[in-house]
Amino acid sequence: QKEVEQNSGPLSVPEGAIASLNCTYSDRGSQSFFWYRQYSGKSPELIMFIYSNGDKEDGRFTAQLNKASQYVSLLIRDSQPSDSATYLCAANTGGFKTIFGAGTRLFVKA
Amino acid sequence: DVKVTQSSRYLVKRTGEKVFLECVQDMDHENMFWYRQDPGLGLRLIYFSYDVKMKEKGDIPEGYSVSREKKERFSLILESASTNQTSMYLCASSRRFPMNTEAFFGQGTRLTVV
Repeated sequence: QKEVEQNSGPLSVPEGAIASLNCTYSDRGSQSFFWYRQYSGKSPELIMFIYSNGDKEDGRFTAQLNKASQYVSLLIRDSQPSDSATYLCAANTGGFKTIFGAGTRLFVKA
Repeated sequence: DVKVTQSSRYLVKRTGEKVFLECVQDMDHENMFWYRQDPGLGLRLIYFSYDVKMKEKGDIPEGYSVSREKKERFSLILESASTNQTSMYLCASSRRFPMNTEAFFGQGTRLTVV
């Protein structure tokens, strides 16, 4: 069974801090990775995607990929209460299917 | 603005009923997906389609079927609804090429089977 594992949380950080969300995947053939944000009662929306080893930055968000360790992370700098949501990590092996993790709940305290 | 629209936000159905969930996308995407989302289990793929009239089973297809007669529309059918199919159902679409592109999700249908 191909899996994507995430800590369910909740992860609680104070406003202005860095939130670090982690994800591991079991299929070494996974080629692309996605981070989705899902507010309560809403559908997931894409924040970042990453294909290559290393870091990818977009505003306050940085995605990190380490294929050797089968590890993906998302850093949120200067966390805001509006960042409070569930963050879903997803991996695609190159086919049509994308495997989602169960999500990590993030709570940013004002 | 890209859009995936699901026909209902909330549905309540009785055990044994045949249930239709409809999804329409306006992005001319080739791929369409049906997921269900349950607490602690994340999104689990039920079925997907990469072209009109084509369908592939996902990880949990039992008790479900799908139909894709037109490119923009993908329907999920619960042949005989059961209480363990109470869940949030999410439709998504994506481009076929390049591969591994992001999926756009509909707003979800919360189905309760009583």
